[in-house]
Amino acid sequence: GDSVTQMEGPVTLSEEAFLTINCTYTATGYPSLFWYVQYPGEGLQLLLKATKADDKGSNKGFEATYRKETTSFHLEKGSVQVSDSAVYFCALSLPQNNAGNMLTFGGGTRLMVKP
Amino acid sequence: AAGVIQSPRHLIKEKRETATLKCYPIPRHDTVYWYQQGPGQDPQFLISFYEKMQSDKGSIPDRFSAQQFSDYHSELNMSSLELGDSALYFCASSRRQGRSIIYFGPGTRLTVT
Repeated sequence: GDSVTQMEGPVTLSEEAFLTINCTYTATGYPSLFWYVQYPGEGLQLLLKATKADDKGSNKGFEATYRKETTSFHLEKGSVQVSDSAVYFCALSLPQNNAGNMLTFGGGTRLMVKP
Repeated sequence: AAGVIQSPRHLIKEKRETATLKCYPIPRHDTVYWYQQGPGQDPQFLISFYEKMQSDKGSIPDRFSAQQFSDYHSELNMSSLELGDSALYFCASSRRQGRSIIYFGPGTRLTVT
């Protein structure tokens, strides 16, 4: 079945450090790929997305490129801030005939940024 | 912009009680999803509805049921609650066509004591 694997956390960085959170997927067909962020005590917010190979999603300084050849969608940010501390979920969706675009999530990676 | 609304935001119930969670999707969204997120876990898909009909079913226990009403809001009914049902319950909505984005509500935190 479809699945998403992302690096385990927590990832602890100092402010202004470079961030990479790895994400790989297994899917039949051509999924859309997403990164969602969950701040402490809050719901899931869409951070960025890519719907086809070589697309780059970007938002708030975060980027991820849809790599079909390596089935990856790694999240990167050049300079993290304390306010980026959150749990990051990689997810995929495949259009389902009867179910719309159901999401399959990775296990989440907790990022902690220290001042 | 309007977002997905969930109520209540917090709910405390005792074992064997029942609970009802409500979800109001983004206007003009025709598909509603329910997810359960246990402590330290990733969200797990429970069930989805399209145009008031159940469209897919995930790991939803038989003790749970859900429906979508004519105004597109949805309710998740949970009976014979167990301690293990304590979790964050997210509702999400989207438009069905194409590769539309799924937007999540803030979640309802259910605590079963």
